[in-house]
Amino acid sequence: EAGVAQSPRYKIIEKRQSVAFWCNPISGHATLYWYQQILGQGPKLLIQFQNNGVVDDSQLPKDRFSAERLKGVDSTLKIQPAKLEDSAVYLCASSEGGEQFFGPGTRLTVL
Amino acid sequence: GENVEQHPSTLSVQEGDSAVIKCTYSDSASNYFPWYKQELGKRPQLIIDIRSNVGEKKDQRIAVTLNKTAKHFSLHITETQPEDSAVYFCAASTSNAGNMLTFGGGTRLMVKP
Repeated sequence: EAGVAQSPRYKIIEKRQSVAFWCNPISGHATLYWYQQILGQGPKLLIQFQNNGVVDDSQLPKDRFSAERLKGVDSTLKIQPAKLEDSAVYLCASSEGGEQFFGPGTRLTVL
Repeated sequence: GENVEQHPSTLSVQEGDSAVIKCTYSDSASNYFPWYKQELGKRPQLIIDIRSNVGEKKDQRIAVTLNKTAKHFSLHITETQPEDSAVYFCAASTSNAGNMLTFGGGTRLMVKP
């Protein structure tokens, strides 16, 4: 079974630029999550989707972050404009009523 | 919201010794507690989990204990091996479906040969 796919794996941008990340969950998984993992910390949930609906986005900085999952499969997370403190690994995970399976993450560096 | 504290932040043990990592949580409604292992540069992977109706769970060299009254749970690794070296994260959720995890800050475990 294929795992959670993410792209790009690495991204370097300057502050105030925009960036987008893509995630393809495990086939059949209805729930998709985006996490932010700052170096040396645990993952922090940004947003959770159930199919194409948002379940929880209470920790998403909505003034600059947005996410969508239009057809209930793939998802994109966007940051516009980026700040230095957004430098982190962005992890996507999916689940079907149980264990969350993580993707390899996208390492974002904001200069 | 939920707050999960994890300690120690780093742990160094000799190969063959045991390692114990402890977590506390704040929300008494939490009922699902997974542990993830994250090797350097890799994705977190679930190694064991426990639900609130169970006090202890074992899987070979790994065990997890849960004390709901005190709101803490622990990971025990026996007979540690160099390949156990990684960062370990505890997490808590109020959902039996394992959604909406709140993670601890992580413990870097180093097993010295």
